[in-house]
Amino acid sequence: KAGVTQTPRYLIKTRGQQVTLSCSPISGHRSVSWYQQTPGQGLQFLFEYFSETQRNKGNFPGRFSGRQFSNSRSEMNVSTLELGDSALYLCASRTGSRVNEQFFGPGTRLTVL
Amino acid sequence: ELKVEQNPLFLSMQEGKNYTIYCNYSTTSDRLYWYRQDPGKSLESLFVLLSNGAVKQEGRLMASLDTKARLSTLHITAAVHDLSATYFCAVDMDNAGNMLTFGGGTRLMVKP
Repeated sequence: KAGVTQTPRYLIKTRGQQVTLSCSPISGHRSVSWYQQTPGQGLQFLFEYFSETQRNKGNFPGRFSGRQFSNSRSEMNVSTLELGDSALYLCASRTGSRVNEQFFGPGTRLTVL
Repeated sequence: ELKVEQNPLFLSMQEGKNYTIYCNYSTTSDRLYWYRQDPGKSLESLFVLLSNGAVKQEGRLMASLDTKARLSTLHITAAVHDLSATYFCAVDMDNAGNMLTFGGGTRLMVKP
């Protein structure tokens, strides 16, 4: 079974630009969560989607948004990029059942210059 | 606000030694997860602990959960160099596995 895939793996942007990251979950997984990892703040929950609906959102500004498609693939968008948005963005998928182990993708390394 | 604290943050140990990583959290939760991260890599799931008293073992690693004390431990037995990595615990914020709050991580270096 293929794992969680994320594209692109690396991205360099400049301040003020916007970026879209993509995540394809494991086949059959309907829940997709996004996390940001930085050296200063560690791993922080961004949001979670299930069946195309955002169910939970972390404490991030409105510049961070996401969506999920009918095939469970998800995208997250960051608008008006700031230097502090430089991070590893991790996507995780799970089946949605009670035994809810999350499987993480390889991440997208975003650098904002 | 849920807080998850790991200690130590950094651990350097000799091969063959035993040690324990501690994960304390600030609110009631029945679910706790342990992950491993190698440099530049993603998170690898190690253990899923779903109830008070849960104990799981895989190779040289054993994890346990005490929900009353809000404490989980990851015990390393007879460490080997291949265990060198950063270990994270994560607590389930909504008891449904959708939102995880992570500890700060414990960077483990095992020296020959």
